[in-house]
Amino acid sequence: DQQVKQNSPSLSVQEGRISILNCDYTNSMFDYFLWYKKYPAEGPTFLISISSIKDKNEDGRFTVFLNKSAKHLSLHIVPSQPGDSAVYFCAASARGTYKYIFGTGTRLKVLA
Amino acid sequence: DSGVTQTPKHLITATGQRVTLRCSPRSGDLSVYWYQQSLDQGLQFLIQYYNGEERAKGNILERFSAQQFPDLHSELNLSSLELGDSALYFCASSVQGLRDEQFFGPGTRLTVL
Repeated sequence: DQQVKQNSPSLSVQEGRISILNCDYTNSMFDYFLWYKKYPAEGPTFLISISSIKDKNEDGRFTVFLNKSAKHLSLHIVPSQPGDSAVYFCAASARGTYKYIFGTGTRLKVLA
Repeated sequence: DSGVTQTPKHLITATGQRVTLRCSPRSGDLSVYWYQQSLDQGLQFLIQYYNGEERAKGNILERFSAQQFPDLHSELNLSSLELGDSALYFCASSVQGLRDEQFFGPGTRLTVL
């Protein structure tokens, strides 16, 4: 049972435009969400997180939005840059647990 | 460079064999996590250790075991290997292991023939 779903395996965006990556979850006990970025031949690196007490968190060009009623979160990258081309994983954690449940990832390609 | 090291980078072995993957966490990190990434799959959480003790367990097969040593490095042992065990195995570390930021190593690619 995939509790965290990234339904778009890939996304292509023009440089300078907005990239929107989506993530859906099924477990209502999840209260902490993260996005990780992964380049080829490297491990994932932490990008941004959001707690369920907030609906938006911003860090430079990256903003994560959380819609708890829809059990949906999204990552916005504005403006997109070629260096943003990578695989993006969303992850979630439930209160009282220590583990993260990861989605299957979305491969973003930013075209110059 | 995350500061987390994993050895070996690549491992090719045969079905039925046993292998050991090694992870050294970042300096100062007490918690180590192991993940498996199979083809087109997300990162599957296997197990977490904190300061030598098991803290959380995920979908880890009985053929797999792990431990964290007093110097805080960790080993993941995979035995009776099957073709389906071929995957990227990542180790991550964090300071407290309490949903704090995890720093990932570059992974070990295991191929079972």
